[in-house]
Amino acid sequence: TQLLEQSPQFLSIQEGENLTVYCNSSSVFSSLQWYRQEPGEGPVLLVTVVTGGEVKKLKRLTFQFGDARKDSSLHITAAQPGDTGLYLCAGAPLNRDDKIIFGKGTRLHILP
Amino acid sequence: DAGITQSPRYKITETGRQVTLMCHQTWSHSYMFWYRQDLGHGLRLIYYSAAADITDKGEVPDGYVVSRSKTENFPLTLESATRSQTSVYFCASSWTVGETQYFGPGTRLLVL
Repeated sequence: TQLLEQSPQFLSIQEGENLTVYCNSSSVFSSLQWYRQEPGEGPVLLVTVVTGGEVKKLKRLTFQFGDARKDSSLHITAAQPGDTGLYLCAGAPLNRDDKIIFGKGTRLHILP
Repeated sequence: DAGITQSPRYKITETGRQVTLMCHQTWSHSYMFWYRQDLGHGLRLIYYSAAADITDKGEVPDGYVVSRSKTENFPLTLESATRSQTSVYFCASSWTVGETQYFGPGTRLLVL
């Protein structure tokens, strides 16, 4: 069974600080997706990384896919209260007939 | 409006009652999914559907029934609600099984 482990589970930091959250697996994925879920809403896709070693930037958010396509990280620079939410990673298995697998998420709280 | 909608957004019911949660999408996505989200467990897949009249069990199907007579609708029925089914339920859709999933806003269900 493929699993995605996200760490930390919870993170509370002050506005303006930098942070990194991780998504790790022992399995190789064809791509990895990052979603953000705000309170009372459903998850929304932020980015998909496809190539090993790929780095994508979305304003203050930087996403990296590991060289071996088993792990990924999300780095936020100068966190703002609007970044508060649950960050979920999801891996697409190599077998195109298999469903994507979600990690349990990192719950991020940015204190003003 | 285009997108994926869920109804009701909030529901309170009693143990033993039948409850149906509705999900409607306007993209003509082939795949539709039902998840429940609970603290400590993340998103858990209940059922999914690859097309009209094709459904399959996910990780936690017991106590739930689904149907998909039309591509755009994917209702989830709790045949005899139990307190353990108190949760937030999300419907999602996608073009293929391994691609980005688009989530509805969720239904918060409380079973007394």
